[in-house]
Amino acid sequence: GAGVSQSPSNKVTEKGKDVELRCDPISGHTALYWYRQSLGQGLEFLIYFQGNSAPDKSGLPSDRFSAERTGGSVSTLTIQRTQQEDSAVYLCASSLAGGLDYGYTFGSGTRLTVV
Amino acid sequence: AQTVTQSQPEMSVQEAETVTLSCTYDTSENNYYLFWYKQPPSRQMILVIRQEAYKQQNATENRFSVNFQKAAKSFSLKISDSQLGDTAMYFCAFSGAAGNKLTFGGGTRVLVKP
Repeated sequence: GAGVSQSPSNKVTEKGKDVELRCDPISGHTALYWYRQSLGQGLEFLIYFQGNSAPDKSGLPSDRFSAERTGGSVSTLTIQRTQQEDSAVYLCASSLAGGLDYGYTFGSGTRLTVV
Repeated sequence: AQTVTQSQPEMSVQEAETVTLSCTYDTSENNYYLFWYKQPPSRQMILVIRQEAYKQQNATENRFSVNFQKAAKSFSLKISDSQLGDTAMYFCAFSGAAGNKLTFGGGTRVLVKP
């Protein structure tokens, strides 16, 4: 597609439920990144994919968070047993190879609210 | 670990005037990249300008320019001839040479007043 697409745009869930957030990167972009932005804060790195593998998942805050990428394309971020502190905007970005020469393209994010 | 600090939570500027946003960072790397991103209410992060640490010349993109002081680890953004559409959050970001993650500052909210 023309840009990075994320779905859903907004998600309200009850505490304790599992949620899945989807990212559809730009076609041909081999690198994919997930970031979390809490209210009024900067972005916090979660995980980086190169193709289908995740060489850096150091930012995942707990074992309730996991992510996968299939076919070198779509990625899903799963949060199990959601907690109120998981409420945030989850942003996805993609780039050709690494992001330094070609830049990162971000999606518009998923706003997750845990009630 | 790298850190990025933006000391100005909010700045306001009159339309057509100039505003400068501050950013400092800490790293032990010699080769790295610095970025300024704009985040309007749509939430999408938009790249404003990038600077490669090995280049001494300051980057410029139309009305946006940076003052990169490598020794001081400072990377400020100047917005000239401010326009109402410049109203947004602005984030400074750092990437090491590996390029596999960005470290962001806490952001500066810029309000352009008519």
